[in-house]
Amino acid sequence: NAGVTQTPKFRILKIGQSMTLQCAQDMNHNYMYWYRQDPGMGLKLIYYSVGAGITDKGEVPNGYNVSRSTTEDFPLRLELAAPSQTSVYFCASSYFGLAAYEQYFGPGTRLTVT
Amino acid sequence: AQKITQTQPGMFVQEKEAVTLDCTYDTSDQSYGLFWYKQPSSGEMIFLIYQGSYDEQNATEGRYSLNFQKARKSANLVISASQLGDSAMYFCAMREARSGNTGKLIFGQGTTLQVKP
Repeated sequence: NAGVTQTPKFRILKIGQSMTLQCAQDMNHNYMYWYRQDPGMGLKLIYYSVGAGITDKGEVPNGYNVSRSTTEDFPLRLELAAPSQTSVYFCASSYFGLAAYEQYFGPGTRLTVT
Repeated sequence: AQKITQTQPGMFVQEKEAVTLDCTYDTSDQSYGLFWYKQPSSGEMIFLIYQGSYDEQNATEGRYSLNFQKARKSANLVISASQLGDSAMYFCAMREARSGNTGKLIFGQGTTLQVKP
């Protein structure tokens, strides 16, 4: 199993550009999450999904959009990139039914907006 | 208000010694879960240990143990016999019952641990 994969690993965007961060998992997890981590800080939840076709906002959703058409994929869309979106983005997944709801994380995407 | 507080921005420990990383949490839920994750300099997030609010015994996983004091709302991570590879940032996180069946986690700001040879 590859676990949770994210592409790209690094990206530099100009202000106002758009892009999609890709996330995929092959563990048949029903729950998926997008977090951002600003330098020296903890992770903040952007969006999450409890299954295909079901998404909801987290703590910091402004400037982002998500979709979940399959169990495996959970892309994050940035529209009109702003310098405040410079961050490291993590995708994670977990399986409902396990007591711990342990989340498995992807390797992250480092995004710079200039 | 901060739901997860990690008051130690940075910690040093001598190799082979034990170290405790502090975490306090704030919730009015009776059912919740507490997690610790490790983030080495390479950036990935590694799950270490979990404690459920109804678990009567402190969780242990190898050299990691969680000192759970429910009345004090603290969930400190204890690393025994520190190794150089333990140098990393450590995050405490909480899942509340009020988040429903979503598994959402709230993270603290992290503690950077450096192990000295």
